[in-house]
Formats: sequence, structure tokens, C-alpha cells
Amino acid sequence: AQKVTQAQTEISVVEKEDVTLDCVYETRDTTYYLFWYKQPPSGELVFLIRRNSFDEQNEISGRYSWNFQKSTSSFNFTITASQVVDSAVYFCALGGDYKLSFGAGTTVTVRA
Amino acid sequence: GAVVSQHPSWVICKSGTSVKIECRSLDFQATTMFWYRQFPKQSLMLMATSNEGSKATYEQGVEKDKFLINHASLTLSTLTVTSAHPEDSSFYICSARSVAKNIQYFGAGTRLSVL
Repeated sequence: AQKVTQAQTEISVVEKEDVTLDCVYETRDTTYYLFWYKQPPSGELVFLIRRNSFDEQNEISGRYSWNFQKSTSSFNFTITASQVVDSAVYFCALGGDYKLSFGAGTTVTVRA
Repeated sequence: GAVVSQHPSWVICKSGTSVKIECRSLDFQATTMFWYRQFPKQSLMLMATSNEGSKATYEQGVEKDKFLINHASLTLSTLTVTSAHPEDSSFYICSARSVAKNIQYFGAGTRLSVL
């Protein structure tokens, strides 16, 4: 069975602060994929990143960065210099070739 | 990037009526689409996997006769909530899987309110 745990339910920061979202996963598969999605108040899930299990390189995309550590089964997400527009629910997800298992989500509120 | 269109975005209906929700992949062919349900402040719950040209695969506990899924083409899947009741009120989200990228792209969701 696959499981994704996002221990942080809500995070509130002041604009320009950095925020790190934790994601821990469990799977018996040797090949798998990890994802992060953003769900703003409008409801649509926006794809942010996909990482496969063989690629442990960290990635940076603008103010977003991801830290994948297979040894601890974690795939953490950091928003640097947060902005009000970053306010959303962020979901971490784990999948093989088809289904995705989602974490419970972390609500990020960035205050001006 | 890839775009998935979902309609309607919001629907209000009377108890006992049926509601159809459409999910279209606009710039790629999707042999597999997924339907999720999301309750307020909760995560996404997979309802069923929609396969083009074949029957949908439903998750445990999801009534297939209640939630009819049709995936007649490579770009369109529909979810029909039959004889809707107030407990069916929820946020329904579809996704289409890009085989080339192995990424699920999501629609904007449909908020269903059954009176």
C-alpha cells in the first residue's frame, strides 16, 4: 500500500519569509513518482513538479525548490521569499504508472 | 502546458435529478482519466479510473450505478451523478493522464450542490 503523510496541516507566514512543506511517503515499489500540486482558492490543482525515484537531485524553479531524500522517504518543498499569491493548499502525491495517492494537504497562508 | 477543461464549474440541482460533468483534455490524448471527490478541507479521494473504450474501474465503496462514467473518446470522459441526493454534494475533480509525461493534469473542478 502507498501512503503519503503531510504532517503540517496549516502554516502561516509573513510575506518574504521562507516556508518549507514536509512530505513523507511509504511504498513498496522500487519505481515510483512523487508530485507536488498547488490548489488555490479557485479549486483547480496546478501541477508543480514530478520527480522519479531514480533521480535524487534537488531541483530549483524560481522561488520553489524541492529536496528529495530517498533514505528518509521524504520529498520536501520550500517556497523562498513567499508572496501572498502563494497562499493555497499544497498536496504531495505518490504514484506509479497510474493512480496517485495524495497527502492530506498543507494550507499555506501568506500574510502581507 | 497541458490543459484539462471541466464543465460545469458549479451546478445546483434538485434531489432526484441527474447531473453530468464533462472532462476534456484539450491538447493531448488521454487514454486514462480519473475522477476524484473532495470534501471541504480534505484531500482528494479517488472515485474511479476512466479508461477509453472500456469500463471504468471503481474504487472500493464507490457505487458504480450511482456514479456513471463514460470515456467514449481519447479526449472526453463524463461523470453522471444519478438520482442525486444532498449527501452527493461535493467538489468533483477530474484529471487526465499524459502518457508522454506521466503527469496527471487536473480540471478546475465542479462544485455540486443538491437541494
